[in-house]
Amino acid sequence: DAKTTQPTSMDCAEGRAANLPCNHSTISGNEYVYWYRQIHSQGPQYIIHGLKNNETNEMASLIITEDRKSSTLILPHATLRDTAVYYCIVRVEGATGGGNKLTFGTGTQLKVEL
Amino acid sequence: DAGITQSPRHKVTETGTPVTLRCHQTENHRYMYWYRQDPGHGLRLIHYSYGVKDTDKGEVSDGYSVSRSKTEDFLLTLESATSSQTSVYFCAISQGPFETQYFGPGTRLLVL
Repeated sequence: DAKTTQPTSMDCAEGRAANLPCNHSTISGNEYVYWYRQIHSQGPQYIIHGLKNNETNEMASLIITEDRKSSTLILPHATLRDTAVYYCIVRVEGATGGGNKLTFGTGTQLKVEL
Repeated sequence: DAGITQSPRHKVTETGTPVTLRCHQTENHRYMYWYRQDPGHGLRLIHYSYGVKDTDKGEVSDGYSVSRSKTEDFLLTLESATSSQTSVYFCAISQGPFETQYFGPGTRLLVL
């Protein structure tokens, strides 16, 4: 899996958009960009994933650059409950079993404040 | 919510004792995974299963065994617990066309 680079920490005011960047300059053509988050003491939570087009779901939007070397996760209206560590991961499409192993780096600690 | 529960949620045990952690899912997923999470090491795959009685090792399988006698339950056993196995253990399933993984709430294990 390609290595990803994320800032260690970010702050965001409640109600504002939180934009979390991720660099994945060595991503391969068949690798998807996944985002998970982990709220303190809880299991990792899937947020969104994409290949090359921008994606949006009820939790967030994912913007992937045209060259696919970087992406941004957008939480449009951050709340205090969005305070968590956010992980950007790349993995091969449809990998199963041991090939589906997720490798979480250090992630970005997002702190949402009043 | 992928219908995953883990039990126990917290356990304290002594070195040398056997420990079994249970992962239970309600949605008939084929693939199940056991990870451990430790500071400085992130998430590491211990074992995974691709069906009833079908399991394989992950990257940190030494000291652990697993069993899956029915689709809904995936058990992780520490035959003789050691202090180095103090960790948070997460179970996951994968589902959908992309085999996206969804995690359970975790089990905090302390081996004294």
